[in-house]
Amino acid sequence: GESVGLHLPTLSVQEGDNSIINCAYSNSASDYFIWYKQESGKGPQFIIDIRSNMDKRQGQRVTVLLNKTVKHLSLQIAATQPGDSAVYFCAENIYNQGGKLIFGQGTELSVKP
Amino acid sequence: DTAVSQTPKYLVTQMGNDKSIKCEQNLGHDTMYWYKQDSKKFLKIMFSYNNKELIINETVPNRFSPKSPDKAHLNLHINSLELGDSAVYFCASSPSRGEQYFGPGTRLTVT
Repeated sequence: GESVGLHLPTLSVQEGDNSIINCAYSNSASDYFIWYKQESGKGPQFIIDIRSNMDKRQGQRVTVLLNKTVKHLSLQIAATQPGDSAVYFCAENIYNQGGKLIFGQGTELSVKP
Repeated sequence: DTAVSQTPKYLVTQMGNDKSIKCEQNLGHDTMYWYKQDSKKFLKIMFSYNNKELIINETVPNRFSPKSPDKAHLNLHINSLELGDSAVYFCASSPSRGEQYFGPGTRLTVT
């Protein structure tokens, strides 16, 4: 069935350290993945996306890695800041089903000063 | 300017009542969505409209009825509210079934 799961529900890091948030997906035909950040009381906010023809994509302080062999993707945040504290979701975009997003469980990132 | 807006932000009501949540996007997108987020933060698609046409209905009870008067608006009407309907409801829009932009959410509490 469709599912996108995360390995860790919570992650606590020291300010300045790098953070890695992991995600597993089950649909091997999926070709587009998105990472969202959700701060308390707000809606999910787009961080970065990646298509299946890529293994890695970099943004500002963030990098997404995709391993299609094991159906795994990760979000790396460099030099984590207090403002990065939020819940992070990976999502699988199902284009041929109206572009709906299948969300993972979510990982709560807590940054200690 | 707010890209995707929802009203109200908070909604507290009793079981059995009927309520509506409104969503508007000023991004010119063709596709709009409703998602439900439960108390464990799990987000699940409910509906999607493309140019006012329903394209996704994810086995949601028929007490939930989306309505799209034009492609900039997607409202959600809920009849006979139940305790289990308590959640945060998010509206989202996208230009081409890709990246989705989410609204701030509506926290619905049914007592």
